[in-house]
Amino acid sequence: GQSLEQPSEVTAVEGAIVQINCTYQTSGFYGLSWYQQHDGGAPTFLSYNGLDGLEETGRFSSFLSRSDSYGYLLLQELQMKDSASYFCAVRDRQAGTALIFGKGTTLSVSS
Amino acid sequence: NAGVMQNPRHLVRRRGQEARLRCSPMKGHSHVYWYRQLPEEGLKFMVYLQKENIIDESGMPKERFSAEFPKEGPSILRIQQVVRGDSAAYFCASSPETRSFGPLSQYFGPGTRLTVL
Repeated sequence: GQSLEQPSEVTAVEGAIVQINCTYQTSGFYGLSWYQQHDGGAPTFLSYNGLDGLEETGRFSSFLSRSDSYGYLLLQELQMKDSASYFCAVRDRQAGTALIFGKGTTLSVSS
Repeated sequence: NAGVMQNPRHLVRRRGQEARLRCSPMKGHSHVYWYRQLPEEGLKFMVYLQKENIIDESGMPKERFSAEFPKEGPSILRIQQVVRGDSAAYFCASSPETRSFGPLSQYFGPGTRLTVL
């Protein structure tokens, strides 16, 4: 079967760095993606890793280790507007083209 | 270029009624996905459609739920004889194509929040 594990909540202060981990179990693997969702609104795509290593996009970076079935999202220079839910998601052979989402990590940024 | 549009944004139904949720994909996108999100949960895949075809409905309950994406018009997710457990946010996503590898740029709509009384 497919499953993804990520922490349910993370708290941090403005300007800090936070790391959100995600471990996954899939039959086949076609990459790990990260999505941001504010207040139950439309999830928006943040980052994707298809190969091992670090992908950097501005203040956000994402890392993947396929041998460990593990990835993380790194958020730097946190701002209040980063308070949101963050979901890791995978595609795998069994699911076809659909995304399988983790339950999400709620990030609360305080001043 | 308008994004993915969903309507209604909020829908209230009594138990036993029918709910119809509409999704208009982004211009140029021919692939539509429906997901359901319960409170404090991630999104769960329901069904994947292309124009006039259901490609994968493995995540959709066999009874009471159906989906279509006609040649003309929006994709529709239909829930018959709704029950309280159907209360959730239903998100539609669209993509321009499928790829065997890569981020599969899925763009999500704002969702329809269904409340069953």
